[in-house]
Amino acid sequence: SQTIHQWPATLVQPVGSPLSLECTVEGTSNPNLYWYRQAAGRGLQLLFYSVGIGQISSEVPQNLSASRPQDRQFILSSKKLLLSDSGFYLCAWSPRGDSPLHFGNGTRLTVT
Amino acid sequence: RKEVEQDPGPFNVPEGATVAFNCTYSNSASQSFFWYRQDCRKEPKLLMSVYSSGNEDGRFTAQLNRASQYISLLIRDSKLSDSATYLCVVTDSNYQLIWGAGTKLIIKP
Repeated sequence: SQTIHQWPATLVQPVGSPLSLECTVEGTSNPNLYWYRQAAGRGLQLLFYSVGIGQISSEVPQNLSASRPQDRQFILSSKKLLLSDSGFYLCAWSPRGDSPLHFGNGTRLTVT
Repeated sequence: RKEVEQDPGPFNVPEGATVAFNCTYSNSASQSFFWYRQDCRKEPKLLMSVYSSGNEDGRFTAQLNRASQYISLLIRDSKLSDSATYLCVVTDSNYQLIWGAGTKLIIKP
């Protein structure tokens, strides 16, 4: 069966520091991969999605970036965090575009 | 108009009651529909897909009304554990997922 791993679960980082969140999927090949952010009490905001290695689509211009160095690995990065980057970051995968997403456990990021 | 709209609630419902939520979508070309539940400070989890003919999974029934462009979720005999936020998701013509902001449900003993 397929599983998705996302880490760390929680993170507290100072403003201006870098960020790297990692997500890996097991048990499937060539998944669609997604990064979402959810601010407290708000809906899901799609940040990036990828349909293959090295293929990244950005939905929201900001100081975040994503990379997919391997088929089942998706990384969310920032060179300098802002206070507004605080939130709940969720990685997700799907077998194809019209299938439901399956989420990792999420990373709760607090920028101080 | 938002692409996918949900009543944010909260819906305060006594245990054992039946509760229903609707979710309206604006794109008539939408292809796929899903309901997720999200517990506080947790990731969303797929509850059920919504099929054209309607579908049922235990106490949960999902229906699609293409003419009026909404999907619905019915929960019968509600349990305390049903307390959560329920998110509807719709795919657009490019199979991109459009999320509603969620409806909060609180089941009271």
